[in-house]
Amino acid sequence: EIVLTQSPGTLSLSPGERATLSCRASQSVSRSYLAWYQKKPGQAPRLLIYGASSRATGIPDRFSGSGSGTDFTLTISRLEPEDFAVYYCQQYGSSPLTFGGGTKVEIK
Amino acid sequence: QLQLQESGPGLVKPSETLSLTCTVSGGSISSSSYYWGWIRQAPGKGLEWIGSIYYSGDTYYNPSLESRVTIFVDTSENQFSLKLSSVTAADTAVYHCARSGITSCYADWGQGTLVTVSS
Repeated sequence: EIVLTQSPGTLSLSPGERATLSCRASQSVSRSYLAWYQKKPGQAPRLLIYGASSRATGIPDRFSGSGSGTDFTLTISRLEPEDFAVYYCQQYGSSPLTFGGGTKVEIK
Repeated sequence: QLQLQESGPGLVKPSETLSLTCTVSGGSISSSSYYWGWIRQAPGKGLEWIGSIYYSGDTYYNPSLESRVTIFVDTSENQFSLKLSSVTAADTAVYHCARSGITSCYADWGQGTLVTVSS
């Protein structure tokens, strides 16, 4: 099983600032099958990034993903008020599918 | 527009079986292009993949739950269902159904339904 470790656990930032979230895998993620989701309380997760760096339909270009192998990054270039949420990475290259523990982006 | 809606009891007693159904609208569960999955989130915890099913009935389960999980599909009703046996308080969670492409992640999700395990 691939274990995904997200850091930091919490990121305290102000609107307009840049957010950099990390996801590290315990072994190489096959074909960069790494996704990022945004989760708000009471809502379904929202797919942001798939294939490590491809934005999902309708996702603003302030969200970008990068990385390969075992190290992946989600960057939000300028935080908007609606971006404060919890972010999860997920690998879907091997079974069982696994999620990271999440990074909470909170308003400073 | 694809919609997924979870339904089932919100309260289950310990040692009993949790049963949930996901009704799919705006798309066919018989499509060969997708897998249908269940993911849960316990209170204050992260997301946990439970398992997935293909329209043919092929299933893939999280090994941590495999001994207690069954996922099956009803193509006539355009639904798929989850059964989790011998539940404990640790199974209290919001359960989401979702759709993924073949070798893909989950682009479409249901809103989720809270299931509480308590006597």
